[in-house]
Amino acid sequence: DQQVKQNSPSLSVQEGRISILNCDYTNSMFDYFLWYKKYPAEGPTFLISISSIKDKNEDGRFTVFLNKSAKHLSLHIVPSQPGDSAVYFCAARSSNDYKLSFGAGTTVTVRA
Amino acid sequence: DAGITQSPRHKVTETGTPVTLRCHQTENHRYMYWYRQDPGHGLRLIHYSYGVKDTDKGEVSDGYSVSRSKTEDFLLTLESATSSQTSVYFCASGDNSYEQYFGPGTRLTVT
Repeated sequence: DQQVKQNSPSLSVQEGRISILNCDYTNSMFDYFLWYKKYPAEGPTFLISISSIKDKNEDGRFTVFLNKSAKHLSLHIVPSQPGDSAVYFCAARSSNDYKLSFGAGTTVTVRA
Repeated sequence: DAGITQSPRHKVTETGTPVTLRCHQTENHRYMYWYRQDPGHGLRLIHYSYGVKDTDKGEVSDGYSVSRSKTEDFLLTLESATSSQTSVYFCASGDNSYEQYFGPGTRLTVT
């Protein structure tokens, strides 16, 4: 049973606008969350993370929000750029485990 | 970026043949992982290692085995390849931090 879910397989957004990617999790032991970005024919690369002691983490154009009570996190990309077109994976782990659980991914397409 | 390489990058093999994929990292990371990526499933963990000769199963380990005789190398073996094992395979490594660093992937086709 998938413990991390990304219910939107794809997202299309105009260049300069905001992209919002959503992720839900079911395991209450998860306390660290990551977003990875993947281009075709390449491996995923780490983008941004958040610990459960925070509800927001920002890095340049990327901000991750965590709502622990709803077991929900989101990634905001502002402003979206053509180079942001990629597959984005949400991942989660608990602090006593070194395995990550990944969602199915969301394909973002930024239109010029 | 962590130095992680995978070989081969592409392979076509026939059903029933054994296949070994290699992962090599130069970061002296303790932990290494093998994933497969399939449409609609994201990245699923096959096997992982928490040290030399220390390995354990992930969520989709049936039909796969691994070995880690050196810190830098992690091998994934398909005992007898099946068409359901056609996939893109990613290796990753990490230390005590939370991030994992991924290799470029191996595209395996089983005919």
